[in-house]
Amino acid sequence: DTEVTQTPKHLVMGMTNKKSLKCEQHMGHRAMYWYKQKAKKPPELMFVYSYEKLSINESVPSRFSPECPNSSLLNLHLHALQPEDSALYLCASSRPGRGNYGYTFGSGTRLTVV
Amino acid sequence: SQQGEEDPQALSIQEGENATMNCSYKTSINNLQWYRQNSGRGLVHLILIRSNEREKHSGRLRVTLDTSKKSSSLLITASRAADTASYFCATDAPNAGGTSYGKLTFGQGTILTVHP
Repeated sequence: DTEVTQTPKHLVMGMTNKKSLKCEQHMGHRAMYWYKQKAKKPPELMFVYSYEKLSINESVPSRFSPECPNSSLLNLHLHALQPEDSALYLCASSRPGRGNYGYTFGSGTRLTVV
Repeated sequence: SQQGEEDPQALSIQEGENATMNCSYKTSINNLQWYRQNSGRGLVHLILIRSNEREKHSGRLRVTLDTSKKSSSLLITASRAADTASYFCATDAPNAGGTSYGKLTFGQGTILTVHP
């Protein structure tokens, strides 16, 4: 299995809702990432998990809450989002450590906040 | 903030022609990677070049890296309509220990359109 699977593919949520994005990989990668991408812009890093521990938080607002329950799963819990949070949310995985490995990205969840 | 600047922002060519995209960056790197993105979906890893390498080939792709100028180029030879996509360079910066920081930073991207 050489894929990163993200669910759902599309999500519409109100500003008072609570929802979660899910990401799964079975490649044995021990680094997992959340990126946010606005239209016509490059992906921007949000969080990095290395060996199931949060190693980088790029000053993301607390309405985004990541969770890594095990080495194959990565969740992003959403609460009280704003319309400007509407974007494509991408999950990726890689081998951690000395780098020099490419990242495997999922197809993303397109989030619309209304 | 985005480290990489890509040039050109958009490129339109005919099938069979070569496409060259350039990327500049600002800080020291472990490696530089190129990704393709179709229609705002997931990114696909194309090729990785380490900081101690100057050129790398993969099929119709050729990547060069000039660390003295902090720049890289991606050449796609004999382009096809299926190559139409956005192309991003991304830099992997070292941490204090010299290993990967786990922080891949993307350039602004080049939109490539290949006309049949």
